Amino acid sequence: SQTIHQWPATLVQPVGSPLSLECTVEGTSNPNLYWYRQAAGRGLQLLFYSVGIGQISSEVPQNLSASRPQDRQFILSSKKLLLSDSGFYLCAWSPGQGLGYTFGSGTRLTVV
Amino acid sequence: LAKTTQPISMDSYEGQEVNITCSHNNIATNDYITWYQQFPSQGPRFIIQGYKTKVTNEVASLFIPADRKSSTLSLPRVSLSDTAVYYCLVGDRWQNFVFGPGTRLSVLP
Repeated sequence: SQTIHQWPATLVQPVGSPLSLECTVEGTSNPNLYWYRQAAGRGLQLLFYSVGIGQISSEVPQNLSASRPQDRQFILSSKKLLLSDSGFYLCAWSPGQGLGYTFGSGTRLTVV
Repeated sequence: LAKTTQPISMDSYEGQEVNITCSHNNIATNDYITWYQQFPSQGPRFIIQGYKTKVTNEVASLFIPADRKSSTLSLPRVSLSDTAVYYCLVGDRWQNFVFGPGTRLSVLP
């Protein structure tokens, strides 16, 4: 069966520090991978998606970036965090057919 | 992407049936309707998906009228643990879905 792992669960980082969140998927090949962000009490905002290794599409301009160095690995990064980067970050995957997403457990990021 | 409209919040009592309606007037021919459930500090969880008429699984039922311009998620006999945010998404298989604010369901004892 397919599983998705996302870590860390919580993170407190100072303004201006770098960020690296990792997501890995097991039990499937060539998944579509996604990074979403959810501000407190709000809906989910799609940040990045990837349909293959090295293929990244950005939905929202920001100081975040994403990379997919391996088929089942998706990384969200920032060189310098802003206060506005605080939120709940979710990684998700879907089959190529796009029939529904499976989300990871999320990372709650607080930038102080 | 088809725009969806659903109530911001709903209250219900334990044991009642809850129906959450989503409007999607500009749904396209190839679009499916998918519902997700999200608990606090967790990722959304797939509940049910349908294209037309009625779909039922062990968790919920999805009713879609012939014109497909709306859909209704039906949760039978809700319990306190069904308190969550419910999202209605519309799109075809190849789209990246946009999650709106959803419907915050509160189940009261």
